[in-house]
Amino acid sequence: NAGVTQTPKFQVLKTGQSMTLQCAQDMNHNSMYWYRQDPGMGLRLIYYSASEGTTDKGEVPNGYNVSRLNKREFSLRLESAAPSQTSVYFCASSAGRYQETQYFGPGTRLLVL
Amino acid sequence: AQSVTQLGSHVSVSEGALVLLRCNYSSSVPPYLFWYVQYPNQGLQLLLKYTTGATLVKGINGFEAEFKKSETSFHLTKPSAHMSDAAEYFCAVSPLGGATNKLIFGTGTLLAVQP
Repeated sequence: NAGVTQTPKFQVLKTGQSMTLQCAQDMNHNSMYWYRQDPGMGLRLIYYSASEGTTDKGEVPNGYNVSRLNKREFSLRLESAAPSQTSVYFCASSAGRYQETQYFGPGTRLLVL
Repeated sequence: AQSVTQLGSHVSVSEGALVLLRCNYSSSVPPYLFWYVQYPNQGLQLLLKYTTGATLVKGINGFEAEFKKSETSFHLTKPSAHMSDAAEYFCAVSPLGGATNKLIFGTGTLLAVQP
């Protein structure tokens, strides 16, 4: 039981390049989330998917897109990377929609030059 | 709007000393409250959570937290710090009755444990 997995672990991009961060969970959870973590700012929600087939914006969605490919997988895409998107990205999942514990992946460290 | 404030971005204690990490929230109704821990280069792991019922919540690794509605606080404590407790700790709030399971995180407190 791997829980929440993320790929890649680390990535360096040049400004303007695109990339997709992958996330998968094997806990049969309905809800999935993407956060970014920046020093002194805690975690901020980028996008979430309350259930398969639905996605909604979080606190900081600009510059990102997401796809809930199926119940297991939730990807985050940067169409044109900017230095301000240098961050650590975490994917999380939870069983249901209401007040459930979220389980986090190990994170992807992204550096945009 | 819901918000979470963690007082002290860095806390240092001696091994064996009391750990106290502070968290205050703002909410018009009592929310659900969480403490997560993040060890270096890892994801977040749930320490404990308060939903309803008993206001003193016990978590993993000897940590506990008490929900005090009158003080809008949910401080995290551990009687005796261990070197392995060195990590970053995040308090989070989930609005009660919300349509989705959004979490609002505090900015985190980095705990250092000195030998």
